[in-house]
Amino acid sequence: GAGVSQSPSNKVTEKGKDVELRCDPISGHTALYWYRQSLGQGLEFLIYFQGNSAPDKSGLPSDRFSAERTGGSVSTLTIQRTQQEDSAVYLCASSLALSGGAETQYFGPGTRLLVL
Amino acid sequence: AQSVTQLDSHVSVSEGTPVLLRCNYSSSYSPSLFWYVQHPNKGLQLLLKYTSAATLVKGINGFEAEFKKSETSFHLTKPSAHMSDAAEYFCVVSQGINFGNEKLTFGTGTRLTIIP
Repeated sequence: GAGVSQSPSNKVTEKGKDVELRCDPISGHTALYWYRQSLGQGLEFLIYFQGNSAPDKSGLPSDRFSAERTGGSVSTLTIQRTQQEDSAVYLCASSLALSGGAETQYFGPGTRLLVL
Repeated sequence: AQSVTQLDSHVSVSEGTPVLLRCNYSSSYSPSLFWYVQHPNKGLQLLLKYTSAATLVKGINGFEAEFKKSETSFHLTKPSAHMSDAAEYFCVVSQGINFGNEKLTFGTGTRLTIIP
């Protein structure tokens, strides 16, 4: 079937505006992850969902960042009052999450966010 | 805590010669280890993974990696480089099969250039 999809593929916004990024995981995948890829920080974990709950939010950089997942499927990552340092590629991944740390995470193409 | 160190930020090899991308890991528990590849403007793709089974792991496109616990290494190799191998390669660690949290920790990446 289809892979992980993300929308929009590109987003340009002005500093101080709110943005919403969407992730559609592979059908049947119970685990969903958000990562951020930026020049200065590399690839870093943001948040992990198992079903609709988020047992690990430790990577969210500030309280301006939030995420939710509904119906065990689609997830949205919201950034409020965007800052220029939020500019990055936001990646979503999903997995079956059957074996703890051994499952393969499948990544979407990412959303490239530019904050002017 | 877990971490990975990719020892080379950039590797250049001639087409047809062997490839070696080096990775050392640190983990408090038995880790799962992965290599992902990212081609320009493309998503992350899994090359191979180690999950406490055979220490020599074979992946796609002729790549393989050997888990060496005594050296805490997981180097990626390929006998003969192809032009299509030019990409960014990430060594990745997760907590291991005894934990529900499968957060991935990425290395800083190695850019592989193939010289015609």
